[in-house]
Amino acid sequence: EVQLVDSGGGLIQPGRSLRLSCTGSGYNFGEYAVIWIRQPPGKGLEWVGLTGRKIYGEATVFAASVQGRFSISRDDSRNIAYLQMNSLRVEDTAVYYCGRARGSGWPTDYWGQGTLVTVSS
Amino acid sequence: DIVVTQSLDSVAVSLGERVTINCKSSQSLLYNSNNKNYLAWYQKKPGQPPKLLFFWASTRESGVPDRFSGSGSGTDFTLTISSLQAEDVAVYYCHQYYGIPWTFGQGTKVEIK
Repeated sequence: EVQLVDSGGGLIQPGRSLRLSCTGSGYNFGEYAVIWIRQPPGKGLEWVGLTGRKIYGEATVFAASVQGRFSISRDDSRNIAYLQMNSLRVEDTAVYYCGRARGSGWPTDYWGQGTLVTVSS
Repeated sequence: DIVVTQSLDSVAVSLGERVTINCKSSQSLLYNSNNKNYLAWYQKKPGQPPKLLFFWASTRESGVPDRFSGSGSGTDFTLTISSLQAEDVAVYYCHQYYGIPWTFGQGTKVEIK
């Protein structure tokens, strides 16, 4: 059974850093891109970024709203990916979900349960 | 950026009735080399992750009831629920994965009248 588990969320002050984890199981983690989206309280879904498969150089791309502050890394030997969030802002408050996609031209077919990040002083 | 816009923010219909949700993209999502539209539909319930319903605009994900259908091409797409059931109450999002940044529609909340 395919499973993705997001973790690492919590309450954090503006300007600080936080790292979220995404652990996959039940499939070959390295053969899928890792996608991050978020949902602010009471709002819709927002795409955050993605990292590609290792064989394609693990290319990463981000939404403009997080470009330069967020980064993604992955350790396929441990079936885990990370979303490193720096210089957090109040508007980054959201439930963050990681997902998997087979690659370019494929949608995200599974998502983790989400982890809440609250940025507040 | 590709903007995807859903025609309704919310809709309320009676159980058993038909629901139609429209989604319009600011540019074509049709990838000419494979003739596929890079448009997906998700169902989102509170406290749950998004659930993939359709990809390539009309390919039903495994396990999705056949009362759901997806259609459209290019810039105009539709999600239809032929006979609304209580468990279909949710927010539905269209999502383009054609161009970076990937984007979502604003969501359409489906409720029971």
